[in-house]
Amino acid sequence: DTEVTQTPKHLVMGMTNKKSLKCEQHMGHRAMYWYKQKAKKPPELMFVYSYEKLSINESVPSRFSPECPNSSLLNLHLHALQPEDSALYLCASSSGTVNYGYTFGSGTRLTVV
Amino acid sequence: GNSVTQMEGPVTLSEEAFLTINCTYTATGYPSLFWYVQYPGEGLQLLLKATKADDKGSNKGFEATYRKETTSFHLEKGSVQVSDSAVYFCALATSYDKVIFGPGTSLSVIP
Repeated sequence: DTEVTQTPKHLVMGMTNKKSLKCEQHMGHRAMYWYKQKAKKPPELMFVYSYEKLSINESVPSRFSPECPNSSLLNLHLHALQPEDSALYLCASSSGTVNYGYTFGSGTRLTVV
Repeated sequence: GNSVTQMEGPVTLSEEAFLTINCTYTATGYPSLFWYVQYPGEGLQLLLKATKADDKGSNKGFEATYRKETTSFHLEKGSVQVSDSAVYFCALATSYDKVIFGPGTSLSVIP
């Protein structure tokens, strides 16, 4: 299995809703990442988990809450989002240092209404 | 600081044309360099990489050579196909867990 699987593929949520994005990999990768990508822009790093511990938080607002229940799973909990949070949310994993490159999932297209 | 600059396009080519997408970088230390590709409606895929000066990365007919003297990592392909239409991101990695992406270059290949 050489994939990163993200669910759901599409999500529409209201500003008062609570929802979660899920990411799963079974490649034994030790690091997992959340990125946010707006249309026609490069991905922006949000969070990094290394060996299931949060190692980097790029000053992301607290309405985004990451969780890494085990080495294969990564969640992103969403609460009280704003319309400007609408974007493609990408999960990635890597086997060692970033010098090896990332394996990305296909993303969750989030729309906040 | 560390940064990546690339031609933003859009680039439009006819099928079988030669492709060059320029990428230059600024970095301290000795970064690893990457090209990622994003097809419409999908996530990014690692296309090729180079981890030290003069390394050449190659995959699917694409090539890029790590040039330390010119701080460049230009992407080339000898004959593009319609299926190569996508957005291409140049990227670098210097620290343990951070990758810096360029702005992306949109490529359209017409039959």
